[in-house]
Amino acid sequence: AAGVIQSPRHLIKEKRETATLKCYPIPRHDTVYWYQQGPGQDPQFLISFYEKMQSDKGSIPDRFSAQQFSDYHSELNMSSLELGDSALYFCASSFRQGSTEAFFGQGTRLTVV
Amino acid sequence: SQQGEEDPQALSIQEGENATMNCSYKTSINNLQWYRQNSGRGLVHLILIRSNEREKHSGRLRVTLDTSKKSSSLLITASRAADTASYFCATPEDSGGYQKVTFGTGTKLQVIP
Repeated sequence: AAGVIQSPRHLIKEKRETATLKCYPIPRHDTVYWYQQGPGQDPQFLISFYEKMQSDKGSIPDRFSAQQFSDYHSELNMSSLELGDSALYFCASSFRQGSTEAFFGQGTRLTVV
Repeated sequence: SQQGEEDPQALSIQEGENATMNCSYKTSINNLQWYRQNSGRGLVHLILIRSNEREKHSGRLRVTLDTSKKSSSLLITASRAADTASYFCATPEDSGGYQKVTFGTGTKLQVIP
């Protein structure tokens, strides 16, 4: 069965550069969530989208922005990267109706040097 | 504070023993989910239990839910070295009609061969 696809799997950027992470949800899922997990930390909620509209916002820095497109894929844009942005970034998708579980992608490991 | 809090934070057992992890949460939920995460890897959905269920089984996993105490437990029976991972409980929160999933602090399980 199709799962949540994230790309790239690994990304190395320098400080002050920009990074774009992509997430392709499971077909027919209408909700996308982004999480950040620092080394040895718990996943922290960043932002979510439902039907292409931002539905909730967590601890997402102002330097980050995200959107969900008409095909339901989502992109997380990160500018002016800092060393502390090095983390595993997860995307998850779910189908809003019916309280289904969120399915996670394998994550993008971002390293800022 | 975290919506979900697991205890213990770390657990070390011998292969073949049972492992029990607990999770407490604060708000009302309609379901609770357990995830596993191998070191540096993606989050894998294990099991979802709905608020009207008290117990659920899946292979060697047994999950209980006590909504009166706002707590859940995950039992892994006959543990194997491959069960070594971090285990998170996650609860969906309604936020303005939409849902986001919030993770607890996680339990690091080490199964010694």
